[in-house]
Amino acid sequence: QSVLTQPPSASGTPGQRVTISCSGVISNIGSNTVNWYQHLPGAAPRVLIYSNKLRPSGVPDRFSGSKSGTSASLAIRGLQSEDEADYYCSAWDDSLNGPVFGGGTKLTVL
Amino acid sequence: QVQLQESGPGLVKPSQTLALTCTVSGGSISGSEYYWSWLRQPPGKGLEYIGHIFHGGSTYYNPSLGGRASISVDTSTNQVSLKVNSVTGADTAVYYCANMYGKADQWGYYYYVMDVWGQGTTVAVS
Repeated sequence: QSVLTQPPSASGTPGQRVTISCSGVISNIGSNTVNWYQHLPGAAPRVLIYSNKLRPSGVPDRFSGSKSGTSASLAIRGLQSEDEADYYCSAWDDSLNGPVFGGGTKLTVL
Repeated sequence: QVQLQESGPGLVKPSQTLALTCTVSGGSISGSEYYWSWLRQPPGKGLEYIGHIFHGGSTYYNPSLGGRASISVDTSTNQVSLKVNSVTGADTAVYYCANMYGKADQWGYYYYVMDVWGQGTTVAVS
């Protein structure tokens, strides 16, 4: 069982906006920043959003992140077929003194 | 740009020790302020953080592994190693190495992020 809670699945049609939620507690999301990773089949995971809302160079601005209290969200607007992947949230946990992950959300583009 | 490549046996017998190596290229482990990390993804499940070693030798291990994991670095070969002892079928997974760093953003919020990952290596326990 993962420390952070994500919905197991999400879906949308091309061009739509979808959001993926991530819930934690005070010791992780409540006290630290959140990262989002995209994991395409057969590829290495890559960071999509770091420090709640920052995008590494090369990540389209269709992807955005936000955080409020002990929850965070990843939003994808203008959904494209290549966005079909697993998405993971992660945050440092002060109680464990290490990073924790959500269980992942499988995004399907219908 | 740092690149990471995992290697090791693809099959391990139950109760034995799983041993993997992550070869770092494009940068030196020695003196770097990265957390050299290992993660895994069991079949049909999500990513699980195994642990890391920081420069200076301090380590962190996910309590979920029950003290069975060990991470070390060899600066002479620029490699990071993972050992998991007393393996069972539950240790079957794709294993990834990644480098994580901590930094303050422009607003002063501190973040830890894994920005370079290896391609992963599949290990089956059977």
